[in-house]
Amino acid sequence: NAGVTQTPKFQVLKTGQSMTLQCAQDMNHNSMYWYRQDPGMGLRLIYYSASEGTTDKGEVPNGYNVSRLNKREFSLRLESAAPSQTSVYFCASSEAGGSQALHFGNGTRLTVT
Amino acid sequence: GDSVTQMEGPVTLSEEAFLTINCTYTATGYPSLFWYVQYPGEGLQLLLKATKADDKGSNKGFEATYRKETTSFHLEKGSVQVSDSAVYFCALKGGATNKLIFGTGTLLAVQP
Repeated sequence: NAGVTQTPKFQVLKTGQSMTLQCAQDMNHNSMYWYRQDPGMGLRLIYYSASEGTTDKGEVPNGYNVSRLNKREFSLRLESAAPSQTSVYFCASSEAGGSQALHFGNGTRLTVT
Repeated sequence: GDSVTQMEGPVTLSEEAFLTINCTYTATGYPSLFWYVQYPGEGLQLLLKATKADDKGSNKGFEATYRKETTSFHLEKGSVQVSDSAVYFCALKGGATNKLIFGTGTLLAVQP
């Protein structure tokens, strides 16, 4: 019963390096999301994908790109990491519809030095 | 735009005390409301939800009632346990957008 799986769990990058955070869900959900969590700021939406083949910007998209590879997978890419992107990143998925809850992965803790 | 405001923490209680964490929201239309819980080192888990006015969500002894007249969704529990220590997030979905929007979270610490 995997749910939402994120890799890696931890990552340290130097400023300017690039990396891709991977996310996969096995619940056949249409919608997938990437959030970042910072102290005192709750969770902020970076990008989301309402369905396979579509992606849209959230509240804080600058510095990130996403790919909805197929229905299961939604990756987040940092092309040139900056210290301001040090955060904990969460992937989530849900059925379509306003009343549907999101299911979250366990997060990726990223540090950019 | 849509937003959620919840009480600042940390909230520190003794075991078996009564818990209230306040949450109010601003949204157009009729959003669904959620409480999520995050235990240390883990992701967020859905605690409860309510999808229309006057609905009461409940789970694990926690309750929250969707109050449209006061735009509130306060979380309550009659008798907290040490194992309830976590960060609690209020959130809404729907309204002007269909995205889940979070409050800043409230840290609850329960002492034996």
